[in-house]
This record gives sequence, C-alpha cells and structure tokens, in this order.
Amino acid sequence: QKEVEQNSGPLSVPEGAIASLNCTYSDRGSQSFFWYRQYSGKSPELIMSIYSNGDKEDGRFTAQLNKASQYVSLLIRDSQPSDSATYLCAVKGGRTSYDKVIFGPGTSLSVIP
Amino acid sequence: SAVISQKPSRDICQRGTSLTIQCQVDSQVTMMFWYRQQPGQSLTLIATANQGSEATYESGFVIDKFPISRPNLTFSTLTVSNMSPEDSSIYLCSVGGLRAEAFFGQGTRLTVV
Repeated sequence: QKEVEQNSGPLSVPEGAIASLNCTYSDRGSQSFFWYRQYSGKSPELIMSIYSNGDKEDGRFTAQLNKASQYVSLLIRDSQPSDSATYLCAVKGGRTSYDKVIFGPGTSLSVIP
Repeated sequence: SAVISQKPSRDICQRGTSLTIQCQVDSQVTMMFWYRQQPGQSLTLIATANQGSEATYESGFVIDKFPISRPNLTFSTLTVSNMSPEDSSIYLCSVGGLRAEAFFGQGTRLTVV
C-alpha cells in the first residue's frame, strides 16, 4: 500500500524563524509532489508543487525533493503567525490529472509571536 | 485553477438518513475525486468519478454506501447513505490541474446525530 509519512507535530517555532517540515513516501515511482496548507475548518490550499530533484523556491517557501531518498521537505522562512496551520504532504504516481493523490497525515505548525 | 463549488457547506442529519453533496466546476474536467476528512485526520480518497462510466472506489468504500453520479464534465454528486455518527466528516470534491495538482472545493461539513 502506498504511504506518505510526515514528521509528527505539533511543531512550534518563534516568529521570524525557519520552519522545517518533512515527508517520506513509499512508492519509488511517484512523479509529483505537493504541499498543501489547511487552516482549521477550511479546505486544503496548494502552496507548492515539485516534480524534479532539487530545490524549488517561491517567496518564503522552499520545497526540496530527493527521489533517491524518497524524501520531500518544505522550508518556511521568516515564519509568520499567519503560517500557523496544518501542512499536508501529497504524492502522486504520475503527472496527469487522472492520477490519484495520496495525502500524508499532516503536520500542525504553530508560529509563536 | 478551476473554481469548484460545493453544496451544502454544512449539514446536521439524523442517523439513518441520506445526504447528497453537489460539486460544480467552472470548466470541463475528465476526472473528479471525492475525499473524506474525519475529525483530526488527513484526507482519504473515497472514489474517482469519470464522466460516462462507473465511479472507481477505494478499498473500504462501497457504492451502496457512497453512490456517485457524474452526469456531465462539470458536475458530480456524492451521496452518503444510511448515515451513522461515524460518517461525521468533511467531504471534499477535487479536480486535477494542468500540472497534476489537486484543487478542492470548500468542503461539506457533515454532522450525524
């Protein structure tokens, strides 16, 4: 069974610090990787996608992918209280809209002012 | 990204009854996905709905309990049948993006009493 694991939370960081979120996946053939942010009572919101090994930066967010280690991470620089949410790692076997997305259990992040 | 509208946004239902959740997308999509998110948990895929064919259900979910309709390329419904308190969850409709991302409707928060 394909699985996605995330580091257990909750994770607390002070405002302005770097938050590091980690994710591993079991299906070595996975092609697409995503990070979602979910505020309490809201639906998941896509914040990053990554498809190739290496780093991808978007504003304060950096996603890192290492397919050999089956590992994905998300770094949030200059963390803000508004970043407090649950972060879901998601993995897809392919690169099309037809493929299923498997979600990890999520890591709760709390940014302390 | 597609705009996804889900109705109702929330409902409180009596056990033994059924609820039909509607999902409308502002563009034509081949695949639509239905997820369940139980309290404090991550997202679990219920089924994949492909227009013109029977929905494909994940392990642990059956058509009698969660019948799905997909009458056209912009609309789908999920029915939660013969509800029990264990069905209290958030139900989410999702479609795929051009780069395999998953986008979500605002969800339906169901409470069964």
